[in-house]
Amino acid sequence: GQQLNQSPQSMFIQEGEDVSMNCTSSSIFNTWLWYKQDPGEGPVLLIALYKAGELTSNGRLTAQFGITRKDSFLNISASIPSDVGIYFCAGKETSGSRLTFGEGTQLTVNP
Amino acid sequence: GAVVSQHPSWVICKSGTSVKIECRSLDFQATTMFWYRQFPKQSLMLMATSNEGSKATYEQGVEKDKFLINHASLTLSTLTVTSAHPEDSSFYICSAELTGGETQYFGPGTRLLVL
Repeated sequence: GQQLNQSPQSMFIQEGEDVSMNCTSSSIFNTWLWYKQDPGEGPVLLIALYKAGELTSNGRLTAQFGITRKDSFLNISASIPSDVGIYFCAGKETSGSRLTFGEGTQLTVNP
Repeated sequence: GAVVSQHPSWVICKSGTSVKIECRSLDFQATTMFWYRQFPKQSLMLMATSNEGSKATYEQGVEKDKFLINHASLTLSTLTVTSAHPEDSSFYICSAELTGGETQYFGPGTRLLVL
């Protein structure tokens, strides 16, 4: 299936720093979702975006649905150790319910 | 709200046996459920889409006779790995979509190890 280009693949940051990651696609998506996955667990929904240009926050997390509907970014402000994990973007095409996932961004936060 | 459970959380079985994994939406009804497979350090791979009361739609390369999916109610879907082999060892994750919704909620996953 189609893949999203998610970058960066990994990030090593100090506690307190801000983080930014993004996803781009060659196709238009109707919905963008951002998930976090801890080791041995299923992905947990962080933010859902439904409209082009939409900017949504969830605590220290902020995500935006790109105007072209082909990209999205996720920002984490003032990172803390529990932010460690793998972050996935996922896009939902207009034609159906299936999600297309990015390859994930592995985040490491050093105390 | 929007809690999805999976059972069992992990299972070890002998090669050649069958294993059933349950996925339940605990506090909402899900017309559509999805089954994914994830290998270490990789993203989620969609295996099949399961719609309540109808046959599942399998992704290309996924054997429908090996991975049997049943979605008998709006809150339960099951995945049965038949005649499991060591190469079937993986992390299996289900997700459920609110009826009429746009968001998928994931279960905690099931770790399968086939000896």
